[in-house]
Amino acid sequence: KAGVTQTPRYLIKTRGQQVTLSCSPISGHRSVSWYQQTPGQGLQFLFEYFSETQRNKGNFPGRFSGRQFSNSRSEMNVSTLELGDSALYLCASSLVSDISTYGYTFGSGTRLTVV
Amino acid sequence: QQQVKQSPQSLIVQKGGISIINCAYENTAFDYFPWYQQFPGKGPALLIAIRPDVSEKKEGRFTISFNKSAKQFSLHIMDSQPGDSATYFCGAGNNRKLIWGLGTSLAVNP
Repeated sequence: KAGVTQTPRYLIKTRGQQVTLSCSPISGHRSVSWYQQTPGQGLQFLFEYFSETQRNKGNFPGRFSGRQFSNSRSEMNVSTLELGDSALYLCASSLVSDISTYGYTFGSGTRLTVV
Repeated sequence: QQQVKQSPQSLIVQKGGISIINCAYENTAFDYFPWYQQFPGKGPALLIAIRPDVSEKKEGRFTISFNKSAKQFSLHIMDSQPGDSATYFCGAGNNRKLIWGLGTSLAVNP
């Protein structure tokens, strides 16, 4: 059974550019959540999508956006990149939106470096 | 902003010893407390989780102890092994949202 696949694994972008990250959840999982992980702030919740609808959103500026497709694959986009956006971006899928039932299955992440 | 305070930040334990990581939360409405384990280059993986209606949950060498009145919970790793060397994150929240501790880097010396 394939795990959560995130592409690309590594990305280097210049300040001011935009970036799109992709996540393919485990087959059958309908909920996809995105997290930003940094050493200083830890895991910060970005947003959650379930059946193509954003169900929950964290405290990030509007430069961070996402979407989910009918096959549950999800993308997140960051526009006008800032140096502080450098982080590991993690995608987590779960069978249902209730994460306490089965927990999250995380991908290995996309390491974004903004220079 | 609600926080989950996790300690210690790093921990070194000898093989066979007990590793203990602690977390404290603020919101009494939280009813789901998982621990995740993360190896370098990988995403976190669910290790064990507890609900506030029990004070302890054990799965193999891993035990969560939960103190509802103190709003604290801890992860105990018995007979720690070098393969347990990883970063451990506690979470606190409900079925829709989690707030995470900043992580504990555990090193188990052989």
